[in-house]
Amino acid sequence: QKEVEQDPGPLSVPEGAIVSLNCTYSNSAFQYFMWYRQYSRKGPELLMYTYSSGNKEDGRFTAQVDKSSKYISLFIRDSQPSDSATYLCAMSKGGSGTYKYIFGTGTRLKVLA
Amino acid sequence: EAGVVQSPRYKIIEKKQPVAFWCNPISGHNTLYWYLQNLGQGPELLIRYENEEAVDDSQLPKDRFSAERLKGVDSTLKIQPAELGDSAVYLCASSLQLTEEQFFGPGTRLTVL
Repeated sequence: QKEVEQDPGPLSVPEGAIVSLNCTYSNSAFQYFMWYRQYSRKGPELLMYTYSSGNKEDGRFTAQVDKSSKYISLFIRDSQPSDSATYLCAMSKGGSGTYKYIFGTGTRLKVLA
Repeated sequence: EAGVVQSPRYKIIEKKQPVAFWCNPISGHNTLYWYLQNLGQGPELLIRYENEEAVDDSQLPKDRFSAERLKGVDSTLKIQPAELGDSAVYLCASSLQLTEEQFFGPGTRLTVL
């Protein structure tokens, strides 16, 4: 079993829809939770990160972490065709000698105009 | 501010040939990462440097892969000899010390024939 699981999609939604992207994980030691966006033939770009449980909002994006369920989510409101990309969750644990930063497989999102 | 620079962007070689990838991180970033990304997968860490020191190379296939980061700035990743299964995108990322925000370059897409 992978430490981080993410549905690969693809997920197609109409423009303006609310999008929900999710990851589950198995190791309770993860403390930081990140969401990256990756356009085709580009490197990943960090959207936001949260520490421990709770919500964080940035414009149309909201990240949620539920450590009790080992479940994280990214919500995109008023989705736009420009949001079409692969969304990668990532999480990290440990200090310098034991640091681990693990990515999910990514979910492909297509927002239809 | 310039981002992470990688070259070449694309490389096609025949199996058993050597290949090298170059990365110039963001100025002032002392942590540098090399990742491998297969199609439909998330990035997987190959090696992490803190300044000149390779602090995590546990996932680097040392029989054929090598890396160096001279003077704690630029880095080179080498494969010798390349195998068909090495076809993938090789991503370089950098960060200010060990933080949750990693900045990625565009990657080098390697095709081994």
